[in-house]
Amino acid sequence: DIQLTQSPSFLSASVGDRVTITCRASQGISGYLAWYQQKPGEAPNLLIYSASTLQTGVPSRFSGSGSGTEFTLTISSLQPEDFATYYCQQLNSYPLTFGGGTKVEIK
Amino acid sequence: EVQLVQSGAEVKKPGESLRISCKGSGYSFITHWIGWVRQMPGKGLEWMGIIYPGDSNTRYSPSFQGQVTISADKSISTAYLQWSSLKASDTAMYYCARCSSSSPYYGMDVWGQGTTVTVSS
Repeated sequence: DIQLTQSPSFLSASVGDRVTITCRASQGISGYLAWYQQKPGEAPNLLIYSASTLQTGVPSRFSGSGSGTEFTLTISSLQPEDFATYYCQQLNSYPLTFGGGTKVEIK
Repeated sequence: EVQLVQSGAEVKKPGESLRISCKGSGYSFITHWIGWVRQMPGKGLEWMGIIYPGDSNTRYSPSFQGQVTISADKSISTAYLQWSSLKASDTAMYYCARCSSSSPYYGMDVWGQGTTVTVSS
């Protein structure tokens, strides 16, 4: 199985901050990576797929990059509604594993 | 509107069987993979498996292979997740989600509201 390691697992930030979350894969996954946002009590929401393609309707302050084994999700200017937990998922090979999550909280 | 609607919360005893459902609407159900994801209380997302309703091709995570069965009835646009003998450790929220294209490569773009399963004696 491909393991995904997200870092940090927790971060505290202020509104307006630039935030970067990293997802490292235990082996190469080309660009087959997605990012999700999950707010408490809600289902996850797809933000980015194919490592860098923004899902329709997702604000442009979200961006993704990377290929191979290292990927990043960046929020250019954190908004109050962005405080949530973020997960990466690899879609290169079965099982389609998730990372452990990064919780973004208000400083 | 594209949506997945899951069946309601369940409370079961250890050893009982259970099947939960996920009904798709607003799109061609048979041409998009449907995945199941577990989230234990206070924990992260775990990918359980996936099914292609068009031909019932199914893939499981090794962690869940033999523990659950994923199926689909394309005539009623519904996917299922079932257990033959529940354990207390199956207590979790279970989500179904649609893959955004006819292949699983591009993420899951539509999610059900989740079904809470509680297993307790």
